[in-house]
Amino acid sequence: GAGVSQTPSNKVTEKGKYVELRCDPISGHTALYWYRQSLGQGPEFLIYFQGTGAADDSGLPNDRFFAVRPEGSVSTLKIQRTERGDSAVYLCASSPGQGPGGYTFGSGTRLTVV
Amino acid sequence: GQSLEQPSEVTAVEGAIVQINCTYQTSGFYGLSWYQQHDGGAPTFLSYNALDGLEETGRFSSFLSRSDSYGYLLLQELQMKDSASYFCAAPNSGNTPLVFGKGTRLSVIA
Repeated sequence: GAGVSQTPSNKVTEKGKYVELRCDPISGHTALYWYRQSLGQGPEFLIYFQGTGAADDSGLPNDRFFAVRPEGSVSTLKIQRTERGDSAVYLCASSPGQGPGGYTFGSGTRLTVV
Repeated sequence: GQSLEQPSEVTAVEGAIVQINCTYQTSGFYGLSWYQQHDGGAPTFLSYNALDGLEETGRFSSFLSRSDSYGYLLLQELQMKDSASYFCAAPNSGNTPLVFGKGTRLSVIA
């Protein structure tokens, strides 16, 4: 597609529930990144895919968080047993390859855990 | 790991010039990037410096001094629409994801 698409744009869920957040990157971009952003803060790295594999998942806060990219394009971030502290905007970005070249971000999913 | 420091807020007058500074600490250096983010919007890429000196793109310029571990974003002829948050970012190593600073909130006033 023309840009990075994230769905849903907003998600409200109850504490303890499971959620899935979807990211559709720019066609042909091999690198895909998930970040989390709290109000007034910079994006915080979660996980990075190169193709289908997770090249770096060091930013995932705990084992409740998991992400997949089975065919090397669309990715899903999965959060189990959500907690109120998980509330944030979850941003997805893609880039043509490895390296610090410009990332294209999606508009994010605002997750609210009540 | 990577650590980037930038001022939390800056206010400037429409039509003026403003400079947003960023200092970084890193065990290696693989370039410094700048992103703009309007409230409720996605971060958008502005510029990237791999070498020392000034990179100019229209009203925006970015400068890097590797010896000082320092860079800045320069915005000229400020417009109200430039009011946004600006982030500097750098990777920990050559092929790892960007680490972002906490951002500088720029307010442009009339």
